[in-house]
Formats: sequence, C-alpha cells, structure tokens
Amino acid sequence: QVQLQESGPGLVKPSQTLSLTCTVSGGSISSGGYYWSWIRQHPGKGLEWIGYIYYSGSTYYNPSLKSLVSMSVDTSKNQFSLKLSSVTAADTAVYYCARGVVPAAITNYYYMDVWGKGTTVTVSS
Amino acid sequence: QSVLTQPPSASETPGQRVTISCSGSSSNIGSNTINWYQQLPGTAPKLLIYTNNQRPSGVPDRFSGSKSGTSASLAISGLQSEDEADYYCAAWDDSLNALVFGGGTKLTVL
Repeated sequence: QVQLQESGPGLVKPSQTLSLTCTVSGGSISSGGYYWSWIRQHPGKGLEWIGYIYYSGSTYYNPSLKSLVSMSVDTSKNQFSLKLSSVTAADTAVYYCARGVVPAAITNYYYMDVWGKGTTVTVSS
Repeated sequence: QSVLTQPPSASETPGQRVTISCSGSSSNIGSNTINWYQQLPGTAPKLLIYTNNQRPSGVPDRFSGSKSGTSASLAISGLQSEDEADYYCAAWDDSLNALVFGGGTKLTVL
C-alpha cells in the first residue's frame, strides 16, 4: 500500500524559498505510470493544485504559479520535492503531496488517488 | 471565486439521501472527467469518485457520481454520521490548462 509523507520547515520568512519533500513508501517512483503531485489548502479554504512531476523529471505546473514553482524528483531516495520562491503570507497553507493518475494516458482525465497527510507551512517574519 | 461552483453547505438526517452539485463550463466538466474528494475534519482529502462515476476500492456503494453536460453530482445514500465532511469536485480546465477544484461543500448530518 503506497503511502506519502511530506516534510520540510513549518516556518518560512517572506521573500525566501519554501522547500518541501515528499517521501514515497510501499511503491517505487521509478516504476512509472504515476504523476507525483502537489496541492495546497489555504487556512479554512479550498484546494489549489500546484502541479506534478513524472519520474523522468518532466513537469507540469499550474500556470498561475508557474513562474515561482520548481519540482524535482530523486528516484534513488524515492522522493520528490517542491520549491516555491519569493513566498509571501499568501503562501501560508497546508501542502499536500499526492500520487496522480492519468487514465488511458489522457492528461485531461488526471486525478489524485493517494494523498499524504499534509504539512503546514507558515510564511512569517 | 472557484472555477467549479458548489453549494457551500448541505445537510440531511441519518439514513436519508443527499446530493451535492458541481457546476462548471464547456472547458472543464463539459469536456473532461470529474472527480470527487472527501475531507474529514482535520485530515487530508481522500479520493471518493474518479472518472465521473467510478469508486476506488474500499469506498462504499452508498457514494455515487454522475455527470451531465457541464454539471456533475455526488449522491450519498443511507447517510451516516461519519459522512460529515467537506466534499470537493475537481476537473481539468482546458482554458486554464490546470486542474481546478470546486469551493467545497460542508455536509452536516443532523
């Protein structure tokens, strides 16, 4: 049974870079077929999709965040990571990593079937 | 303002049936599949329905999804107290080139 666990600093200063890692257990990222994703939830609000990365390193970011987001994957550690630069208080949120599925290789049918528990990141000086 | 529109709240008594709507447009629900997530209080979202009406293993058949045109619905029958949660719809948007979510519906089991 695949499990995902987010890790990283809970507090980040404004204008700095937020860095989070998601460790995958119970399955191998490099086996392919899944799109390793990041989603965030602002306090008391709904969900916002950030993007995903494939085990090969190819990425797809939400255009609304694209200029600030970077994702990477480390198959040797079975981890994938998120970097969000120039953060502001508006980036304070719970950040979730998740496993993405693309049915029949149709990207537009993408959904997330396994989620991590989430990690809270506060942006404050 | 979310791209997909859900009622902010819904309520029903135990044992009854409730439906939660999700309204979109031709660029999202109208042309792509819809998925539903359940978020119990203080926990991460969980996949409830994928590809319009498919249930992942372990999800009770009390939960069902449907789609028609640019709208979708989640139905929960035989309501139980443990169904009290936030429910989110999601679909790919061809205009925004991103996965978009509804604003969520808070379900209260009276």
